[in-house]
Amino acid sequence: DSGVTQTPKHLITATGQRVTLRCSPRSGDLSVYWYQQSLDQGLQFLIQYYNGEERAKGNILERFSAQQFPDLHSELNLSSLELGDSALYFCASSVRPGLKAYNEQFFGPGTRLTVL
Amino acid sequence: TQLLEQSPQFLSIQEGENLTVYCNSSSVFSSLQWYRQEPGEGPVLLVTVVTGGEVKKLKRLTFQFGDARKDSSLHITAAQPGDTGLYLCAGNFGNEKLTFGTGTRLTIIP
Repeated sequence: DSGVTQTPKHLITATGQRVTLRCSPRSGDLSVYWYQQSLDQGLQFLIQYYNGEERAKGNILERFSAQQFPDLHSELNLSSLELGDSALYFCASSVRPGLKAYNEQFFGPGTRLTVL
Repeated sequence: TQLLEQSPQFLSIQEGENLTVYCNSSSVFSSLQWYRQEPGEGPVLLVTVVTGGEVKKLKRLTFQFGDARKDSSLHITAAQPGDTGLYLCAGNFGNEKLTFGTGTRLTIIP
């Protein structure tokens, strides 16, 4: 158990809909990262938040957004869903930048999103 | 854009055999992590290597970081069915973002 929790475990929805994925980081971790994993694309970095502020952006679509709340949990919002958005979505957390010389990330169990 | 290539993409071997998987980049890593992922689960951190030429051992797993910090290898001795999974390398290139390799899907046949 990494200490990172994600809900829900599974989500099935229809095209055009909007969903929210939730992540709670490990105790003490201030950074949260979101990744998308699909069969043909591998693990793709979407976005990072640090202590409530957006810190880095990856291949995140404009239909997707995220935020980190004062209690450090994070939500990933996916809207106008398309079939191609079906994937595993992972959240990871790490200690605050600069605390270590390198960035080890600890992953949650993921949310499997199926868009029908 | 930094790219990490892992090889082989798929590997299926008999229990008890040894194997090596590779992770290569054209850019220099500031650090590199190896993760193992099982189906439907999140990646689990195995090790972090930081110094060029560094070797780390985790039971039957040996991780090596290239002298130039552009490549890494994972060697498994006497593979067991519990070693089955997707092995991912992930590199830091001087910032906090991790760039993941495409993975090696390992199957150990009992």
